[in-house]
Amino acid sequence: EPEVTQTPSHQVTQMGQEVILRCVPISNHLYFYWYRQILGQKVEFLVSFYNNEISEKSEIFDDQFSVERPDGSNFTLKIRSTKLEDSAMYFCASRPMNRATNEKLFFGSGTQLSVL
Amino acid sequence: GNSVTQMEGPVTLSEEAFLTINCTYTATGYPSLFWYVQYPGEGLQLLLKATKADDKGSNKGFEATYRKETTSFHLEKGSVQVSDSAVYFCGGIGEMEFQGAQKLVFGQGTRLTINP
Repeated sequence: EPEVTQTPSHQVTQMGQEVILRCVPISNHLYFYWYRQILGQKVEFLVSFYNNEISEKSEIFDDQFSVERPDGSNFTLKIRSTKLEDSAMYFCASRPMNRATNEKLFFGSGTQLSVL
Repeated sequence: GNSVTQMEGPVTLSEEAFLTINCTYTATGYPSLFWYVQYPGEGLQLLLKATKADDKGSNKGFEATYRKETTSFHLEKGSVQVSDSAVYFCGGIGEMEFQGAQKLVFGQGTRLTINP
């Protein structure tokens, strides 16, 4: 089965630094997402992206966050100035356009972000 | 908005025991409901789903029935194995959200440990 790929698997950064988390969605998918999971807590929706623009974002996704699909294959999440509370596992997900399967999101294995 | 509440863990059982993890949802209309599983060190994988009332999703010996009258989607397995040890997430997608980049809302996750 095709996979969503995320890199790196673990990112360590200093507070205040910028980080970019990278994702390669499944090639024929059209909807893209970022979720995050703070240790021991629920998986939270951050943002959805379709047709080169944000479809929806949560209140977590403030001005410090941005997403981009720079080259038609990668889908990135940027945090401009990281805070300690940004430490979490970040999951990328994608979904095809086909309505018969449109409810299934395919998740990557996640990037563990540690802000020191 | 839509929300999903699931049984808090952790849950520890012996091999071959019967498993129930409770999940209830609050939504307008009739959302599609899912169980995702996260094995150690991995991302989220769809375990099973149900898209309308009285549907039963099943996979790998797990089952869940969409109960509209109790707004529940409890996960069950008759005889668990050590390999079932993972974190299980209940999730829902709103009925009206298939037209766009729908947002999957998760419960808080239940960590399941099966001892030999």
